[in-house]
Amino acid sequence: SQKIEQNSEALNIQEGKTATLTCNYTNYSPAYLQWYRQDPGRGPVFLLLIRENEKEKRKERLKVTFDTTLKQSLFHITASQPADSATYLCALNSGGGADGLTFGKGTHLIIQP
Amino acid sequence: EAGVVQSPRYKIIEKKQPVAFWCNPISGHNTLYWYRQNLGQGPELLIRYENEEAVDDSQLPKDRFSAERLKGVDSTLKIQPAELGDSAVYLCASRSGGGRASTGELFFGEGSRLTVL
Repeated sequence: SQKIEQNSEALNIQEGKTATLTCNYTNYSPAYLQWYRQDPGRGPVFLLLIRENEKEKRKERLKVTFDTTLKQSLFHITASQPADSATYLCALNSGGGADGLTFGKGTHLIIQP
Repeated sequence: EAGVVQSPRYKIIEKKQPVAFWCNPISGHNTLYWYRQNLGQGPELLIRYENEEAVDDSQLPKDRFSAERLKGVDSTLKIQPAELGDSAVYLCASRSGGGRASTGELFFGEGSRLTVL
């Protein structure tokens, strides 16, 4: 069956360190993968998109990697800050053209001062 | 520019009652999605529209859920009758463009939190 797996436990990171979140998938062949941030009581907000032919994408303190052989994406936040505390969702296109987007459960990240 | 607008933000009803949620997408966005998000879970797709056409409703429980997108703009999601297990946040999202070449980001509304007692 198709699965998208993200760290099920909350991730506690000390301020200033790099936070690394994992997204693994099985039985998908996504053309791209996206990462979203979700704060409590709010809708998800888009952060980054990486395509299947890209190894790495950066945006300010954020970096995403995409390994289609391992079927894994890693999401890094460098120089983490307490304001980075949120739930981070990975999403990938699941067929049906480019518009079928399936989300993982998300990882709750806590940056401790 | 206004984002995706949803209403109501919160709704509490008793089981077997009907409920409706409304979504106004970003102007010009052709693709509209309804997702359901249970506590501690990721959003799960219910239905996707391209303009006024529902192009993917395979996950919509059609015995009690219905949706419409008249004139390809606003959309309404209805549940009748509601069950206890329908308690969740209902998220609307929109995206510009569409079709096989589209890989754009989704813009989400704040969601409608439903509690069924």
